[in-house]
Amino acid sequence: GQQLNQSPQSMFIQEGEDVSMNCTSSSIFNTWLWYKQDPGEGPVLLIALYKAGELTSNGRLTAQFGITRKDSFLNISASIPSDVGIYFCAGQEDSGGSNYKLTFGKGTLLTVNP
Amino acid sequence: SQTIHQWPATLVQPVGSPLSLECTVEGTSNPNLYWYRQAAGRGLQLLFYSVGIGQISSEVPQNLSASRPQDRQFILSSKKLLLSDSGFYLCAWSVRRRARGETQYFGPGTRLLVL
Repeated sequence: GQQLNQSPQSMFIQEGEDVSMNCTSSSIFNTWLWYKQDPGEGPVLLIALYKAGELTSNGRLTAQFGITRKDSFLNISASIPSDVGIYFCAGQEDSGGSNYKLTFGKGTLLTVNP
Repeated sequence: SQTIHQWPATLVQPVGSPLSLECTVEGTSNPNLYWYRQAAGRGLQLLFYSVGIGQISSEVPQNLSASRPQDRQFILSSKKLLLSDSGFYLCAWSVRRRARGETQYFGPGTRLLVL
């Protein structure tokens, strides 16, 4: 089945640094989603992207839907300790509207040192 | 606004015992509903999804089953739990939009430990 390659798997950064992570797929997607998961909780939707080339911000977070429709990135600027968590990308294949399923990346574990 | 609830939050069960996890959604009608399992290795595995009452699609053959007795209620069950059923179970919902793909929203999860 479809797989998403999410990188990096983990990151250790200093507070105040910028962060970038990305996901790539072998198929064309019509939706890219980015989630953050804190320990013991469900993933929370950060940003949703629906058009190729779309660039969307949510506070210090910015995500883009790649032009090729096979990739997406998430940037976090000026990181703070509460940014710690696992970030997941997820995408939906462009299969004519009958596909209800998302494909998830394996996550990027972010650690921020104060 | 829409909210999604899961209970219980945590469950410890002996091997061979039955299981029932419940998920309910408020503030929306006719949602798509999903059950995922998340193992310690972080990956999210889709177990079941439902596009309507009584309509269940299974993604992975296993010891579990799902039911949707009401529009906004989704239940995950097992008749006899196995050790390998331990994990973090997440329910999610989405609303179909023709112009856009699926955007799924997750519940708080249930931590299941089978001993």
